[in-house]
Amino acid sequence: LAKTTQPISMDSYEGQEVNITCSHNNIATNDYITWYQQFPSQGPRFIIQGYKTKVTNEVASLFIPADRKSSTLSLPRVSLSDTAVYYCLSYSGAGSYQLTFGKGTKLSVIP
Amino acid sequence: NAGVTQTPKFQVLKTGQSMTLQCAQDMNHEYMSWYRQDPGMGLRLIHYSVGAGITDQGEVPNGYNVSRSTTEDFPLRLLSAAPSQTSVYFCASRRGAIQETQYFGPGTRLLVL
Repeated sequence: LAKTTQPISMDSYEGQEVNITCSHNNIATNDYITWYQQFPSQGPRFIIQGYKTKVTNEVASLFIPADRKSSTLSLPRVSLSDTAVYYCLSYSGAGSYQLTFGKGTKLSVIP
Repeated sequence: NAGVTQTPKFQVLKTGQSMTLQCAQDMNHEYMSWYRQDPGMGLRLIHYSVGAGITDQGEVPNGYNVSRSTTEDFPLRLLSAAPSQTSVYFCASRRGAIQETQYFGPGTRLLVL
């Protein structure tokens, strides 16, 4: 499992675009990059997953450069309801069972 | 579908008591797991199961037992509760391979006095 590093916390004003970068320097060839979101008093929920280049869904975009040593989660025009902890995970697609969650990035959206 | 359900939502125990945290899923998922989350910490894996009758230890298994007699249920047993087990416990399930989406339950908040 590749170790991931992300900022402990971030603040943003409502309506701004937020980019959270995750570093995974020792990512392996088969590793995916996945982001989960956790609201207070709730379990985490899947946001987005990618392997390379760019992935976009109705919630966020995920940018992965060619060397795949980092990735950036982009949340467009955040609102107060986006205040949550965001976890970056990296794992191998072959033979692994365990998802490992770090401490995540606590995003606080300010009115 | 109800997804992943957990009971109880909140429990207070005295040191030395035992109890079982219940987890059930109705998505026919093979993989289920238990995590604990302490203040300021991420989620730490306690035990997991890759199918009925198969369980294995995660990062912090001491003091906990699990069994998986059916696909739907994955209870977590605290054998002799200790204050260090005060935490929020999350159960999760996914269809199979690690890149599949993992679904979490709402959590059980446990206080051990």
